[in-house]
Amino acid sequence: GAVVSQHPSRVICKSGTSVKIECRSLDFQATTMFWYRQFPKQSLMLMATSNEGSKATYEQGVEKDKFLINHASLTLSTLTVTSAHPEDSSFYICSANSGTPKYNEQFFGPGTRLTVL
Amino acid sequence: AQTVTQSQPEMSVQEAETVTLSCTYDTSESNYYLFWYKQPPSRQMILVIRQEAYKQQNATENRFSVNFQKAAKSFSLKISDSQLGDTAMYFCAFMKLTIGLIFGKGTKLSVKP
Repeated sequence: GAVVSQHPSRVICKSGTSVKIECRSLDFQATTMFWYRQFPKQSLMLMATSNEGSKATYEQGVEKDKFLINHASLTLSTLTVTSAHPEDSSFYICSANSGTPKYNEQFFGPGTRLTVL
Repeated sequence: AQTVTQSQPEMSVQEAETVTLSCTYDTSESNYYLFWYKQPPSRQMILVIRQEAYKQQNATENRFSVNFQKAAKSFSLKISDSQLGDTAMYFCAFMKLTIGLIFGKGTKLSVKP
């Protein structure tokens, strides 16, 4: 089956610093990748959609200057949390869509736990 | 805007019994997909079952089946012969073509021995 990896799995940083999270599709080319945020005991909320070679589309209420998304290739998307603050602490999950017409299935990465001190 | 509602925050079921998780959604779209995802304590999202809106036949995957009522915008999940490994958070999700998933708030299912 399709595998999506995320790196790092866990990161702790100081307030004001920037953190980069990588999302890779390991055995397929992802036409579209998605970034979600999940606060403790809550559901996943879509943050943005990225297509290879084009600008990401952000959901309402998500600051595009704070959450920088780069989809440089068909197998890699990165999320950079700039000037992180404690309220940015959350579980960040990416997913990748192979664009298979039949199902349009999204394959999820294992997530990254960000803690901002 | 699309919304997904799961009205049961928590449910429990005895091992080997059957349980049904409820989900309703709101959309003006006619072509879309519905999913049930399982999130165990590891937090890895696992696809349980999917349903294409244009298909009238309810999807089935082994012990998991759905009751899809398009007119009522209802999409419930039935788990038969519940197993201890089914204990997890279950999320109902809506997707329009290649747009990202819209999730419900989730139902915490506990399977008791």
